[in-house]
Amino acid sequence: DAGVTQSPTHLIKTRGQQVTLRCSPKSGHDTVSWYQQALGQGPQFIFQYYEEEERQRGNFPDRFSGHQFPNYSSELNVNALLLGDSALYLCASSFGLAGAPGTDTQYFGPGTRLTVL
Amino acid sequence: AQTVTQSQPEMSVQEAETVTLSCTYDTSESDYYLFWYKQPPSRQMILVIRQEAYKQQNATENRFSVNFQKAAKSFSLKISDSQLGDAAMYFCAAGTSYGKLTFGQGTILTVHP
Repeated sequence: DAGVTQSPTHLIKTRGQQVTLRCSPKSGHDTVSWYQQALGQGPQFIFQYYEEEERQRGNFPDRFSGHQFPNYSSELNVNALLLGDSALYLCASSFGLAGAPGTDTQYFGPGTRLTVL
Repeated sequence: AQTVTQSQPEMSVQEAETVTLSCTYDTSESDYYLFWYKQPPSRQMILVIRQEAYKQQNATENRFSVNFQKAAKSFSLKISDSQLGDAAMYFCAAGTSYGKLTFGQGTILTVHP
C-alpha cells in the first residue's frame, strides 16, 4: 500500500519564477492538504482540497494556488516566487467524510524542499 | 482560531528512561482532535498518536501515551522505555472537523545511549 508521494524531492528556483509541486494521496484517501514548513518551525496550513474544490484556506496570498484532479492527486502552484517562499512543502492526505472532511487522520508525504535564490 | 504552544524547545532522555513532552492549546471549536507527530531528520512527518477531544480516556500506542486535560487545554506526550530511534522533532497539532491542522513550534528530543 503506497503512502503519500510528492515530487520533486528538491527544487531550486529564482525570484519571480513560478513552481508546481505534485502530490499523490495514500490509497483510499480523497482529501489533500498542503502545508509550508520553514526551517525550524512547525508546518503552516496553506489549503485543503476535497472533491476537487478548495475547501479551506490558510493565511497565504493568492500567489499560492492549487488543484485537485479526479484521481485525487493534487498540485500546488506558487507564482512570482519570493526569497521567503523557501521552505519544505508538505502534502497530507486523509479520507474526507461528507460534512466532516477533517475527522480522519492526515498522513504526510516526504515533502518537497524549495529553495528560492 | 486555534493556537498550539510547545514550551520546551529541546528535551533529552537516557535510553530506556521515560520523558514527557508538553503541549497546550486553545480553540474555539467544540469538536476537535489532537495529534502528536514525529519528524526525524529524514523530514517525513509520522503520526505518533491521536486523541479525540470528546473522549475522556487517554490514548495509548505501545510506548506512547498522552495525558489529555481538556479543562486545562493540555495535551502532553509520554514516551516510555525511550529508544535511540525516538530521537526526532515532535510536533503537537490540533485539528477541527474541517481538516485544518494547527501545529506547535516543535520540541527536539535527544536520546542518549
